[in-house]
Amino acid sequence: ETGVTQTPRHLVMGMTNKKSLKCEQHLGHNAMYWYKQSAKKPLELMFVYSLEERVENNSVPSRFSPECPNSSHLFLHLHTLQPEDSALYLCASSPGRLREGLETQYFGPGTRLLVL
Amino acid sequence: AQKITQTQPGMFVQEKEAVTLDCTYDTSDQSYGLFWYKQPSSGEMIFLIYQGSYDEQNATEGRYSLNFQKARKSANLVISASQLGDSAMYFCAMREGLTGANNLFFGTGTRLTVIP
Repeated sequence: ETGVTQTPRHLVMGMTNKKSLKCEQHLGHNAMYWYKQSAKKPLELMFVYSLEERVENNSVPSRFSPECPNSSHLFLHLHTLQPEDSALYLCASSPGRLREGLETQYFGPGTRLLVL
Repeated sequence: AQKITQTQPGMFVQEKEAVTLDCTYDTSDQSYGLFWYKQPSSGEMIFLIYQGSYDEQNATEGRYSLNFQKARKSANLVISASQLGDSAMYFCAMREGLTGANNLFFGTGTRLTVIP
């Protein structure tokens, strides 16, 4: 079974729509992340949750709203997006434990989002 | 300033040959971790190998090895005996600090093509 799953895999939405991306991890991790990957740009961290608390919000516009109801699930709620928000959105998880060298992040397959 | 620099946008290698993908990093932290990920066209980021800043030996994982030169701040990935399935984007990444949930800084990636 894949450790980190994301749904949907592909999403097309208009600028006035509201949609949500879902991420689920089956690895028993305590930390979860949202990243945005645009063409020809490095991955950009959007949000970090550790033990269900948001620990980092990387200056993301308010049209992106994360939700972490428990340590296994992470959502990204989208509303009134812009065409430049079209990208691959990747979710990741990591152990989040206080031990050196164990904080490898494991990624899901991503959601390819197209905003028309 | 970029924390991770990958200067090779694209690389070609003959099947069964070895290839080195370059990565340099910039940090003033003493404790940091370096990662390499592979991203096939499907989009998923696959963790390949990790090197901690205090590790004295170069990391190895099967056909992957990390050539860690701390004084030069370089962390090149060496893939031995290339296979057609190795064709993908490869990303170098760094986290500052070694404990807890933390951001990964990614480079812009290198597209590796393995030629039969």
